[in-house]
Amino acid sequence: QKEVEQNSGPLSVPEGAIASLNCTYSDRGSQSFFWYRQYSGKSPELIMSIYSNGDKEDGRFTAQLNKASQYVSLLIRDSQPSDSATYLCAVNMNNQGGKLIFGQGTELSVKP
Amino acid sequence: KAGVTQTPRYLIKTRGQQVTLSCSPISGHRSVSWYQQTPGQGLQFLFEYFSETQRNKGNFPGRFSGRQFSNSRSEMNVSTLELGDSALYLCASSWTGSYTDTQYFGPGTRLTVL
Repeated sequence: QKEVEQNSGPLSVPEGAIASLNCTYSDRGSQSFFWYRQYSGKSPELIMSIYSNGDKEDGRFTAQLNKASQYVSLLIRDSQPSDSATYLCAVNMNNQGGKLIFGQGTELSVKP
Repeated sequence: KAGVTQTPRYLIKTRGQQVTLSCSPISGHRSVSWYQQTPGQGLQFLFEYFSETQRNKGNFPGRFSGRQFSNSRSEMNVSTLELGDSALYLCASSWTGSYTDTQYFGPGTRLTVL
């Protein structure tokens, strides 16, 4: 079992729709969770961080965390073609601060 | 505030050679982490440095090493290059590397081994 798993996609949604990206992790003691976006040929950039169970909203983005189910998700509302990118879920396991474990990423394509 | 910078941006080497990559963190950040990104394995953690000390290490062979200087700048070195070392090498910096800190990534160094 991989430490952090994501659906590889590609996930295709029409413009204006909600995109739902999912991630599961293996270490029950994990405390911090991050969603990064990576455009082709670019480096990852942070979208959201979440540390507590529940939802966290920032503009069109909502991160959801369920530690009991070891599940974290990212919802993108009103998806835009500019949201087309690979979305990376990252987990800080065992509270090893500077060490992030990444999922393989989900490629999102938003069609006009 | 300037972001994370990495030099060089592109590098071509041949098998058996060694290479040194450099990373300058965001001003004030003391933690620097290094990652290797390949199409097959994705983003994998190499090591993290804080206050000139390696604090965490990933599952890479000893050919991969690094260091951090007193100004928090970091270098990583790969000796005896193999074809499989071709990858995008990313460094990321954060304030202290605590589990709540956001890591900010540099643009990466694209290494090609021929």
